[in-house]
Amino acid sequence: DAKTTQPPSMDCAEGRAANLPCNHSTISGNEYVYWYRQIHSQGPQYIIHGLKNNETNEMASLIITEDRKSSTLILPHATLRDTAVYYCIVAYSTLTFGKGTMLLVSP
Amino acid sequence: DAMVIQNPRYQVTQFGKPVTLSCSQTLNHNVMYWYQQKSSQAPKLLFHYYDKDFNNEADTPDNFQSRRPNTSFCFLDIRSPGLGDAAMYLCATLWVGTGSTDTQYFGPGTRLTVL
Repeated sequence: DAKTTQPPSMDCAEGRAANLPCNHSTISGNEYVYWYRQIHSQGPQYIIHGLKNNETNEMASLIITEDRKSSTLILPHATLRDTAVYYCIVAYSTLTFGKGTMLLVSP
Repeated sequence: DAMVIQNPRYQVTQFGKPVTLSCSQTLNHNVMYWYQQKSSQAPKLLFHYYDKDFNNEADTPDNFQSRRPNTSFCFLDIRSPGLGDAAMYLCATLWVGTGSTDTQYFGPGTRLTVL
């Protein structure tokens, strides 16, 4: 079973920051927080992952709380092409997908 | 350039007729996964290969088998497809070892229809 809780859906205006929350209160010490997204009818796409520290790459930023029980994925300037289901996954190796958050970016 | 390739993208089979889905990769990754994703659901891991070692998930039906003849290719065999096996089948790869980025790369998927 997935060890994460995410809101089922969120809306964001194009050009604004999208902040997607994730709760993972039972995360183990050696488990990473991964974020993947899946655009309709495509395979999942890796976004970012982290263990304890905040991470940033060309796609997004990942903010992990100090107790590691929750995290936030930030898309700094959302575009229409960011409309997708976003999955937050805690794992050491094998990924177990939860239901994810359907992010709808509107003009 | 495509790194994880799945053929065909769309597959139609008849109830009970064996079908094979194909996955190939150009990444030389040592781990290959097969996931099943039914409509409006999250991907569900069926099994994976770590090199030649096969690892089956506990709740994967016996109807699903896999073969990995070499590093680059992995096949999903469904021996007797039922209507409930209609889904998107996703292949993914991962490099475990020195230089690992802990990132799985997914193919575009094969959508299986069972008539």
